[in-house]
Amino acid sequence: GDSVTQMEGPVTLSEEAFLTINCTYTATGYPSLFWYVQYPGEGLQLLLKATKADDKGSNKGFEATYRKETTSFHLEKGSVQVSDSAVYFCALHMDSNYQLIWGAGTKLIIKP
Amino acid sequence: SQTIHQWPATLVQPVGSPLSLECTVEGTSNPNLYWYRQAAGRGLQLLFYSVGIGQISSEVPQNLSASRPQDRQFILSSKKLLLSDSGFYLCAWTYRETTGELFFGEGSRLTVL
Repeated sequence: GDSVTQMEGPVTLSEEAFLTINCTYTATGYPSLFWYVQYPGEGLQLLLKATKADDKGSNKGFEATYRKETTSFHLEKGSVQVSDSAVYFCALHMDSNYQLIWGAGTKLIIKP
Repeated sequence: SQTIHQWPATLVQPVGSPLSLECTVEGTSNPNLYWYRQAAGRGLQLLFYSVGIGQISSEVPQNLSASRPQDRQFILSSKKLLLSDSGFYLCAWTYRETTGELFFGEGSRLTVL
C-alpha cells in the first residue's frame, strides 16, 4: 500500500544552519505531497504542498520539490531559527481517498 | 474565515470513566471531519472520519466512538477509558473537494490514571 518514510529524529542543528529533512514515498498513482509542522503543545498546520511532479512548495523560508523520479519530497531551509523547533510531518494524499498517509514525524531542535 | 475549536484542552480522567471531546468548525459548510490521536513521541493515528451528519468511518477498532450530530460538530466518546487511551487528540477538517489539506484544532491532551 501507499506509505511515507521520513528520516528519524531528533535532528539537532545550530541557529543559521542549513536544514534538510528527508521524505520518500511509495504510491500506486500520482499523489499530492504535503509538509505539516507541529509546534510544541499545538495542533498541526500546513507548511507547504505540491500537487504534481516538479512542483516546488514554499513557505516561511522552507522549500520542498516533488521529485517523481526519486519519489521524494525533501524539506529544506537555508538558515534555521530557534523558532523553527517543532515536529515536521510529511504526508501524501491520493484523490480517491478521504485520508492522508502520514510519515512518523521528525523532531527538529534548533540551538541558539 | 474558517475556525476550528476543540475542548477541553486538557483533562485527567481515572480508568473506567467516560470521555467526551468536542470539536466544532465555523465558517464553512459540509466539511469532512477527522479525529486523530498522537501518543507521546509518536506519529498520527487516524481514529475516525466523517463525510456528513451521522456518517462515521472507523479506522481502528477500540473502545472509542465518534458522532456527528450536526454538520460542523464532531464528538469523540468513550464509555470506559483505558490507560492506553492517554494521548493528544486532534480534530481536523477539510473542504469536501480538497481532502488533502487539513486544518487542525488546538488539540486535547488526555491523561488516564
